[in-house]
Amino acid sequence: NAGVTQTPKFRILKIGQSMTLQCTQDMNHNYMYWYRQDPGMGLKLIYYSVGAGITDKGEVPNGYNVSRSTTEDFPLRLELAAPSQTSVYFCASSYGSPRQHFYEQYFGPGTRLTVT
Amino acid sequence: AQKVTQAQTEISVVEKEDVTLDCVYETRDTTYYLFWYKQPPSGELVFLIRRNSFDEQNEISGRYSWNFQKSTSSFNFTITASQVVDSAVYFCALSETQGGSEKLVFGKGTKLTVNP
Repeated sequence: NAGVTQTPKFRILKIGQSMTLQCTQDMNHNYMYWYRQDPGMGLKLIYYSVGAGITDKGEVPNGYNVSRSTTEDFPLRLELAAPSQTSVYFCASSYGSPRQHFYEQYFGPGTRLTVT
Repeated sequence: AQKVTQAQTEISVVEKEDVTLDCVYETRDTTYYLFWYKQPPSGELVFLIRRNSFDEQNEISGRYSWNFQKSTSSFNFTITASQVVDSAVYFCALSETQGGSEKLVFGKGTKLTVNP
């Protein structure tokens, strides 16, 4: 049971390039999330998904796109990278209950992205 | 909107001291959940505790304890007899539910340094 895995661990992009951050979970969680963490700023939600085929914007979605074709995978796409997207990106997953019991999120190890 | 305030940006203690990390929250939800996460220098986010708003009992887990006070909207975290391995950034988080979805709102974190 690997939990939540993310690839790559590190990446340097040039301004204007695009890339996809991969996230996979093997816990059969229906909820998945993407956060970015900037120094001293905590975590901010970029996008989330409550199940395959369903995604929604979080607090800071501009410059990003997501898709959720399977329960396990939730890739994050950066189009036209900008220096403001330099950050550490975390993927997370959690169990979602129809009765709205809010369960803890399990996080991947993170991807450190630098845009220069 | 939900809000989590961790007023202590950084705390430094000497090993074996007790230390309390403060967390104050704002919410309009009648049912909500509070969490604490630990982020050691290695960068991963580790889940510590989940507490729902109907359970105001304090919780103790080894050297860790949590004090939940609904009257003051606080969910403070105490480490007893701190150790160097406790050095980390600690995040408090609050659930937010909108239209059936589930999201977490994080505080900015408190960096704890335990010196030998």
